[in-house]
Amino acid sequence: EPEVTQTPSHQVTQMGQEVILRCVPISNHLYFYWYRQILGQKVEFLVSFYNNEISEKSEIFDDQFSVERPDGSNFTLKIRSTKLEDSAMYFCASSEAQGSGAEAFFGQGTRLTVV
Amino acid sequence: LAKTTQPISMDSYEGQEVNITCSHNNIATNDYITWYQQFPSQGPRFIIQGYKTKVTNEVASLFIPADRKSSTLSLPRVSLSDTAVYYCLVNDYKLSFGAGTTVTVRA
Repeated sequence: EPEVTQTPSHQVTQMGQEVILRCVPISNHLYFYWYRQILGQKVEFLVSFYNNEISEKSEIFDDQFSVERPDGSNFTLKIRSTKLEDSAMYFCASSEAQGSGAEAFFGQGTRLTVV
Repeated sequence: LAKTTQPISMDSYEGQEVNITCSHNNIATNDYITWYQQFPSQGPRFIIQGYKTKVTNEVASLFIPADRKSSTLSLPRVSLSDTAVYYCLVNDYKLSFGAGTTVTVRA
């Protein structure tokens, strides 16, 4: 069964450092997403990406964040100048279509710990 | 976007059937109802989707009444491994997850 893969599974970084979280979506999918989940809280939408551009972003996704699809297979989330409150699980997802009826597939997540 | 309301938590015992009802009063004509499951420290996983009446797969059943203002996810004969958070989503192209329903299955 095809799956979304994320690397690394766990990343520890110092406050103020930049991190790049990597995702390989399912190959024939066209829509890509990043979410985060702070421990004990709900899954929060960050950004959606289609046709090499951001299609939607939340208020969480400020100038500190950026996404990129550098080579047609990877989908990355960059967090510049990390803060303690960026510590969370980050999930990547992809889907073949978007909107009602579309099924999204999620990766296993990257646990980011900012110290 | 249709707003959904579901119970915060439910407790059950192994072998019982668990029914989680989600209210979505302002569902639009072409909206589908989708349920996801999330185990601790894992990403959400699609479990079932429907438009009207009843849908069944190997994991669950989804019951949708004629007015489509609510839906009920039914998990037959739950086991300890069904302990998870269950989310109801309606036509949300960016998949906004609410708090979901935390289902705890006890031995």
